[in-house]
Amino acid sequence: AQSVSQHNHHVILSEAASLELGCNYSYGGTVNLFWYVQYPGQHLQLLLKYFSGDPLVKGIKGFEAEFIKSKFSFNLRKPSVQWSDTAEYFCAVNVDSGNTPLVFGKGTRLSVIA
Amino acid sequence: DAGVIQSPRHEVTEMGQEVTLRCKPISGHNSLFWYRQTMMRGLELLIYFNNNVPIDDSGMPEDRFSAKMPNASFSTLKIQPSEPRDSAVYFCASSSGIRGYTFGSGTRLTVV
Repeated sequence: AQSVSQHNHHVILSEAASLELGCNYSYGGTVNLFWYVQYPGQHLQLLLKYFSGDPLVKGIKGFEAEFIKSKFSFNLRKPSVQWSDTAEYFCAVNVDSGNTPLVFGKGTRLSVIA
Repeated sequence: DAGVIQSPRHEVTEMGQEVTLRCKPISGHNSLFWYRQTMMRGLELLIYFNNNVPIDDSGMPEDRFSAKMPNASFSTLKIQPSEPRDSAVYFCASSSGIRGYTFGSGTRLTVV
């Protein structure tokens, strides 16, 4: 079964700092990869997703992620964070193009301070 | 598109009571997923349906938990009897293939 590891439990950054959140997955086959954001007290919202093609994926709110197949990684980046990016970020994976469940990492809490 | 609709948003109940959580998926989506979110365990898949048929319920913690999807527009997750350790946020999500997954706003359950 596939699994997802997010190594950073809590990241604290100052406004305008650059962000990179790590995500590694374990599965030998073809995967679809996702990043979700959860603002305090809210539901999960999709930031970006990768199915195939260009391994550099651009999402909403200035986020991007790069799929590196050889490293089984899908790290999330943003060049300059804002206070409003304070949230929890979840990496997720599923296999097959069909309707299979997302498997989530434990999440990374991002705190952006002024 | 109203998105995935869950009800109630908050539920506080006493231990031993029956709890029913409801979910209305996005019209046209043929897969529905129930997740539970806790601080300790993160987001766990409880059960999922394809075309109203339960595919995998191995994540359902105990026989106290049951889920149904009587038609394409409605699903329930029932806990009977409820226990304090069931306190969590329960999310429903729906999907139609690779277009992505849409999550509902969740039900925050507190069992006292």
